[in-house]
Amino acid sequence: NAGVTQTPKFQVLKTGQSMTLQCAQDMNHNSMYWYRQDPGMGLRLIYYSASEGTTDKGEVPNGYNVSRLNKREFSLRLESAAPSQTSVYFCASSATAEAFFGQGTRLTVV
Amino acid sequence: GENVEQHPSTLSVQEGDSAVIKCTYSDSASNYFPWYKQELGKRPQLIIDIRSNVGEKKDQRIAVTLNKTAKHFSLHITETQPEDSAVYFCAASIGSGGYNKLIFGAGTRLAVHP
Repeated sequence: NAGVTQTPKFQVLKTGQSMTLQCAQDMNHNSMYWYRQDPGMGLRLIYYSASEGTTDKGEVPNGYNVSRLNKREFSLRLESAAPSQTSVYFCASSATAEAFFGQGTRLTVV
Repeated sequence: GENVEQHPSTLSVQEGDSAVIKCTYSDSASNYFPWYKQELGKRPQLIIDIRSNVGEKKDQRIAVTLNKTAKHFSLHITETQPEDSAVYFCAASIGSGGYNKLIFGAGTRLAVHP
């Protein structure tokens, strides 16, 4: 099992560009999450999907949109990237309690 | 919404000493409290968790305690080893129907010196 897989691993964007971060899990988990990690600020929840067909805002949703494409896939879209969105992005999934994280995407917006 | 505060932000200990990291949470409805370890450049991984109906849980050298009345929980690592060096995150959530909207603390960078 691959677990939670994110693509890409690294990305550099220019201010104003758009991109989609992809996430897929093969553990048949109902719930999926997107977090961003900034130095000294821990992991902050951007959006989550409690089950297929539902999405909800987390702590820091502004500037992002998500799509729960099916049970396996949960994508995060930046419509117009800003330098403040420079961060490491983690996707995670869970069934009951433990959240399993992907390897992260390091995004730099210049 | 839930807010989790974590202290200290950095912790330096000698190998063999104990390390304690403390967290407080704001939402009394929270019922699930995991601890994650993140090594440099890696993904966070669960090391131990506790539910609100339990006061303490141990797993070899690590233990977690929960005080629901005071709304705080702590991670205890005994006989620390250099490989324990990492960033540790606490989290809290209201688990319901199979999903947990985890809210994390800011993290504690633990350094264990040989």
